[in-house]
Amino acid sequence: QSALTQPASVSGSPGQSITISCIGSSSDVGGYNYVSWYQQHPGKAPKLMIYDVSNRPSGVSNRFSGSKSGNTASLTISGLQAEDEADYYCSSYTPITHMIFGGGTKLTVL
Amino acid sequence: EVQLVESGGGLVQPGGSLTVSCAASGFTFSNYWMTWVRQAPGKGLQWVAIVKQDGSEKYYVDSVKGRFTISRDNAKNSLYLQMNSLRVEDTAIYYCARNLHYYQFDYWGQGTLVTVSS
Repeated sequence: QSALTQPASVSGSPGQSITISCIGSSSDVGGYNYVSWYQQHPGKAPKLMIYDVSNRPSGVSNRFSGSKSGNTASLTISGLQAEDEADYYCSSYTPITHMIFGGGTKLTVL
Repeated sequence: EVQLVESGGGLVQPGGSLTVSCAASGFTFSNYWMTWVRQAPGKGLQWVAIVKQDGSEKYYVDSVKGRFTISRDNAKNSLYLQMNSLRVEDTAIYYCARNLHYYQFDYWGQGTLVTVSS
């Protein structure tokens, strides 16, 4: 099973909104509401930003939101800030291989 | 405060063995499935293995089955990954993480680097 498909890079200016897509299949993203998103700054551990498609853990800014339509999940960051510049990974539960990550998206804040 | 601290990484020759550990604190360790995720240099994340609260169930990514063993000691609040028959492609930072549910990981350690090279 291949990795979930994410754009390699996205960019936006401070204050703007950006959306990162995560394309899977009916065996993972489309079949289960167990999609999560992680933020990773260089040299740091990943941090959970969204779980169960659209839930935010305590302490995560409400500028981060998640959604899903069919086999595609999305992470939207509104009011972009310099500190949001990082790599973002989606993941999904799948009964085939237990779980699968996306290839990652590098967010650049211009 | 939840803390996960990995240790035991290092340089090992191809075919060799290494065990990495993760010390947990700040939560009831025995209540959670725990997992290992790795990241090769400059690459993305890859789930490696997961173990149930009491150690009775363990699951692995296909590429490590038969070579890696995940285990835990709830009395010591510790998670382990024993790695045998190591390959160059196993070179990565190994993170331990707490499983929220359904393979969604809410707390991560800082990682420990395992380098497989001759």
